[in-house]
Amino acid sequence: ETGVTQTPRHLVMGMTNKKSLKCEQHLGHNAMYWYKQSAKKPLELMFVYSLEERVENNSVPSRFSPECPNSSHLFLHLHTLQPEDSALYLCASSPQGSGRTEAFFGQGTRLTVV
Amino acid sequence: KQEVTQIPAALSVPEGENLVLNCSFTDSAIYNLQWFRQDPGKGLTSLLLIQSSQREQTSGRLNASLDKSSGRSTLYIAASQPGDSATYLCAVIPYMEYGNKLVFGAGTILRVKS
Repeated sequence: ETGVTQTPRHLVMGMTNKKSLKCEQHLGHNAMYWYKQSAKKPLELMFVYSLEERVENNSVPSRFSPECPNSSHLFLHLHTLQPEDSALYLCASSPQGSGRTEAFFGQGTRLTVV
Repeated sequence: KQEVTQIPAALSVPEGENLVLNCSFTDSAIYNLQWFRQDPGKGLTSLLLIQSSQREQTSGRLNASLDKSSGRSTLYIAASQPGDSATYLCAVIPYMEYGNKLVFGAGTILRVKS
């Protein structure tokens, strides 16, 4: 266990559904991230939250909507997804600082869009 | 734009061998470099973090080196075991990027045969 917990671990949804991914960390970190891992592609950063404010949106389509209600929780709201959005979605956290800090990842949510 | 390359893409070795995984990055202006392990369908486990001012870090049978000026890092695994089989990912935090964003390589898939 890394201290970062993601739920659900697996999710199958239709293109017209609305669902949410949840991430929770109990490490006292104040920066949280969503990454996407597609088959045969490097991990891609989607969103960065620092001190509960979104500081980066890496050109992610609006059908992905992040929410960070407090420093321990991060959500990714999904709606009208496409089959190509099927991937492993990983949450991470780190202390906010000068960059000399270690990132910790959750186990991921395997998303399949049908 | 920072790009991270890992060589080889895949490696298969007999148990007991010492091996080296390579990582290169295009921009030497980084805060730190982190090596991760990923088991199939799972999240990322942090192995070693090397700060930009450091040359190497060691943890058990793992040793990671960093040559920032040449844009290279190596992960050395001593006396490999079947349990070391996984994908190994290298990631850098670019300098002056807000929120400790990680830029990942595509990974090296390691198989250690018993």
